[in-house]
Amino acid sequence: DAKTTQPPSMDCAEGRAANLPCNHSTISGNEYVYWYRQIHSQGPQYIIHGLKNNETNEMASLIITEDRKSSTLILPHATLRDTAVYYCIVRAQTANTGNQFYFGTGTSLTVIP
Amino acid sequence: DVKVTQSSRYLVKRTGEKVFLECVQDMDHENMFWYRQDPGLGLRLIYFSYDVKMKEKGDIPEGYSVSREKKERFSLILESASTNQTSMYLCASSPRAEKLFFGSGTQLSVL
Repeated sequence: DAKTTQPPSMDCAEGRAANLPCNHSTISGNEYVYWYRQIHSQGPQYIIHGLKNNETNEMASLIITEDRKSSTLILPHATLRDTAVYYCIVRAQTANTGNQFYFGTGTSLTVIP
Repeated sequence: DVKVTQSSRYLVKRTGEKVFLECVQDMDHENMFWYRQDPGLGLRLIYFSYDVKMKEKGDIPEGYSVSREKKERFSLILESASTNQTSMYLCASSPRAEKLFFGSGTQLSVL
């Protein structure tokens, strides 16, 4: 079963920050928050992940609330190429087998010129 | 860069045919996965494998089987294709306990 809740769609003006929310109220202490995106007709692409501290890389920033029940993916200056479906996933990072990722339906982000 | 290669981008098959979807990864990853993606349903896990000759059922294994004879190759088999198996199929691999790397997908149409 999906453990995350995301809005089905969002719009963002080109050049502005895109803030994509995700609720994961039942997250466990050892579960990380992962974000992927899928551009039309391609496989999903990893963006960023974190446990409890905020994270930033060349693609995006991830802000996780102190209680870890929600997070926000931030694309600081959205471009038309950021139009995609964004998936938020929680997953335990252990060495056990069967560590599958569960994808929901994600948020369809449209960047508007 | 990690490369996950799926043998076909588009495939058209007839009902009842046996269909093989092939996936190869070049980074010596232990884990490999097969998902299918349908409009409104997101990605659903069919099967995964955490080692050579090992396999585990995902959420929707019915009508599918898999084979992993070599670490780099994970095959999805439709023993007798049906129209409800028309879908986008995505293969992924990952090092143990780490992020997924996806192939570009195979759009399968069963007529």
